[in-house]
Amino acid sequence: QKEVEQDPGPLSVPEGAIVSLNCTYSNSAFQYFMWYRQYSRKGPELLMYTYSSGNKEDGRFTAQVDKSSKYISLFIRDSQPSDSATYLCAMDEGNTPLVFGKGTRLSVIA
Amino acid sequence: NAGVTQTPKFQVLKTGQSMTLQCAQDMNHNSMYWYRQDPGMGLRLIYYSASEGTTDKGEVPNGYNVSRLNKREFSLRLESAAPSQTSVYFCASTPRTGDIQYFGAGTRLSVL
Repeated sequence: QKEVEQDPGPLSVPEGAIVSLNCTYSNSAFQYFMWYRQYSRKGPELLMYTYSSGNKEDGRFTAQVDKSSKYISLFIRDSQPSDSATYLCAMDEGNTPLVFGKGTRLSVIA
Repeated sequence: NAGVTQTPKFQVLKTGQSMTLQCAQDMNHNSMYWYRQDPGMGLRLIYYSASEGTTDKGEVPNGYNVSRLNKREFSLRLESAAPSQTSVYFCASTPRTGDIQYFGAGTRLSVL
């Protein structure tokens, strides 16, 4: 079993939809949780960062962490065509390299 | 503000040729990383350097060598390129291992 599991998609939604992206993990030592966004032919860039269970909101984006279930989610409200990208979850124990999910490819159709 | 700079952006090699991918960061970060990204495989860590003077193997180190030239620069060398090394290579840096990573724009490498 991989340390981090992420549904690769692709996921296609209409503009304005609520998008839910998810990752599960097996290592209970993970403390820090991140979501990266990667546009086509570009490098990943940090979108959200959290280190505790609960929700963190930033504009149309909400990151949710449930450590008891070893499950993290990214919600995108009022999705836009500009949100079309690959979204990668990442996590770590604090002093080791990040462990990435394989990424979910999202397309938002106008 | 340049961040992480990778050169070259594109490269085509023949099987058996060698080349070095260059990476430099201007954020005074201690840790640097090399990844490869292949369709359906996500980002896989090749090597990383937690600090100047140290390097460690990642998930897929075979066929690669690295050099942490100084705090700013971390290079990746393919001594004898193989078609299986056709990929997109990303360099990243962080203030310390495990922190938020900042990525370069990538190098697209094709080995024929």
